[in-house]
Amino acid sequence: AQKVTQAQTEISVVEKEDVTLDCVYETRDTTYYLFWYKQPPSGELVFLIRRNSFDEQNEISGRYSWNFQKSTSSFNFTITASQVVDSAVYFCALTPDSNDYKLSFGAGTTVTVRA
Amino acid sequence: EAQVTQNPRYLITVTGKKLTVTCSQNMNHEYMSWYRQDPGLGLRQIYYSMNVEVTDKGDVPEGYKVSRKEKRNFPLILESPSPNQTSLYFCASGREGRETQYFGPGTRLLVL
Repeated sequence: AQKVTQAQTEISVVEKEDVTLDCVYETRDTTYYLFWYKQPPSGELVFLIRRNSFDEQNEISGRYSWNFQKSTSSFNFTITASQVVDSAVYFCALTPDSNDYKLSFGAGTTVTVRA
Repeated sequence: EAQVTQNPRYLITVTGKKLTVTCSQNMNHEYMSWYRQDPGLGLRQIYYSMNVEVTDKGDVPEGYKVSRKEKRNFPLILESPSPNQTSLYFCASGREGRETQYFGPGTRLLVL
């Protein structure tokens, strides 16, 4: 069974500050996929990134960046120069590459960006 | 527009009254699944389907049923709803299990 832990329940920052969201996972599978989703106050779930376990390159997309470290089973997410529109709940998730493609989510981190 | 749709979006019902939440996708995805979201618990998978006529239990299947008779539809059935099934429900689909899942808008259910 796999598990995803997002230890930070809530983070509050002032606009333009950077914010890093932690994600630690557990899985017995050697091949797996990691995801981040954003849930703004409107409630929908927006896909942000998918990463497979063999690709440890960090990724940057605009103000968003992701740091995948297999050695520490972590897949952290950083928002640079945060904006009010970044206020949302962010979920990290994992699915193994096996016959059983269960997608397991962390509990989520609520980010509030204050103007 | 590629999308996952769910109906109804909001539902208030009473204990024991059977209900169905529909889910439909227009992306020809093989994989579909249902999740419930509860405060502090994130999203938990209820059931998933790898393809037509293939369904399997997720982490919290008790009290729910699903069927996958057509590729595009994956209804969630609560035969005898109870108050502990009050939650926000999401349907999702993906090309296959290892691929990105795209979520519907959610159905907020209140069981009295």
